[in-house]
Amino acid sequence: DVKVTQSSRYLVKRTGEKVFLECVQDMDHENMFWYRQDPGLGLRLIYFSYDVKMKEKGDIPEGYSVSREKKERFSLILESASTNQTSMYLCASSELGTGELFFGEGSRLTVL
Amino acid sequence: GEDVEQSLFLSVREGDSSVINCTYTDSSSTYLYWYKQEPGAGLQLLTYIFSNMDMKQDQRLTVLLNKKDKHLSLRIADTQTGDSAIYFCAESPDNFNKFYFGSGTKLNVKP
Repeated sequence: DVKVTQSSRYLVKRTGEKVFLECVQDMDHENMFWYRQDPGLGLRLIYFSYDVKMKEKGDIPEGYSVSREKKERFSLILESASTNQTSMYLCASSELGTGELFFGEGSRLTVL
Repeated sequence: GEDVEQSLFLSVREGDSSVINCTYTDSSSTYLYWYKQEPGAGLQLLTYIFSNMDMKQDQRLTVLLNKKDKHLSLRIADTQTGDSAIYFCAESPDNFNKFYFGSGTKLNVKP
């Protein structure tokens, strides 16, 4: 069974802390994505990566960075967390040239 | 990003049909998608339609595409309580590197 695993389901952090959200996929997919989900706003793309060490900004990259050192792992980094980054973060992957995204279960981050 | 719009809520009775609507802006989108998100879970692809099709049927699901009006709909026949979820439409205008999602429609099915 295909799987996208996000390491933390729930996190609570303080303003100014550095936050790492990890995502691992076991399908050998080239593309990986980080989305943010907020009520009434749907999913907004933060960053995506189409290969190891490659990354492209999505629609809302400010305040975030990413790392893709291995094909199966895509990390989202909040250098200095702020309260407006409280949200649900969804990782997804897809095979190159196909349109089906496979999502993890999400990481709910609360920044106090 | 692109604008993909959906109404936020829909409530139906068990056994009725549900119709969830979506409008999108990019006429170059090759595929349009419907994803389902159950409580506490990530999104799962429900169905998709190629842009040169008007309709696609898959068991209880019917997708209708009106390219002229850039309108997509998902009809669920004989809606069940297990269909209660958030439904997202999405488009991918550029070779599957970016996907644009609507705000999601929360479907509530009353017994």
